[in-house]
Amino acid sequence: GENVEQHPSTLSVQEGDSAVIKCTYSDSASNYFPWYKQELGKRPQLIIDIRSNVGEKKDQRIAVTLNKTAKHFSLHITETQPEDSAVYFCAAREGQGFSFIFGKGTRLLVKP
Amino acid sequence: ETGVTQTPRHLVMGMTNKKSLKCEQHLGHNAMYWYKQSAKKPLELMFVYNFKEQTENNSVPSRFSPECPNSSHLFLHLHTLQPEDSALYLCASSQDWGDEQFFGPGTRLTVL
Repeated sequence: GENVEQHPSTLSVQEGDSAVIKCTYSDSASNYFPWYKQELGKRPQLIIDIRSNVGEKKDQRIAVTLNKTAKHFSLHITETQPEDSAVYFCAAREGQGFSFIFGKGTRLLVKP
Repeated sequence: ETGVTQTPRHLVMGMTNKKSLKCEQHLGHNAMYWYKQSAKKPLELMFVYNFKEQTENNSVPSRFSPECPNSSHLFLHLHTLQPEDSALYLCASSQDWGDEQFFGPGTRLTVL
């Protein structure tokens, strides 16, 4: 089955800097990769996603890149703000099933 | 109310109790999911229902029993739980299985 590794587990940046979170997956048939943001005490919310037929997707300060050959995808946040502080989860949808496999999460802290 | 709702938001129960968690989605989606979120562990998919049919059961112990009477409602019946079952239980829904998921606020369960 699918296995998703996420790094780093914690990330601290200064406001205005960029943050990068990386995930690797094992199932080459996986075809959909969402990223979720979970603020303390709140539900996970989708912030961006990418499908396997696309290499990069951008939405304002957030971008996701996908390297199918290497089986890894990354979340890039530019010009970070304190409100970006949260736990970010990557996930991969199994190619032959109904399941999403999640990474363990990255706790991002943006210091003002 | 819009989106995905869950009740109760907090639940404390003894190991001999029987309780049920409820999830309702107001999005017209066809697929619903139960996840378990424990500290320092990735989100774990427990069950998937697609058009009221259970399509995934990730080796969940029988003390957790799901029920999906219609595509808008999902229940998780709990009985004879263990302290290690204490976690945040999240419900999610998507238009169809494998699509972008919308999460509920979760039920924080504590088993004494």
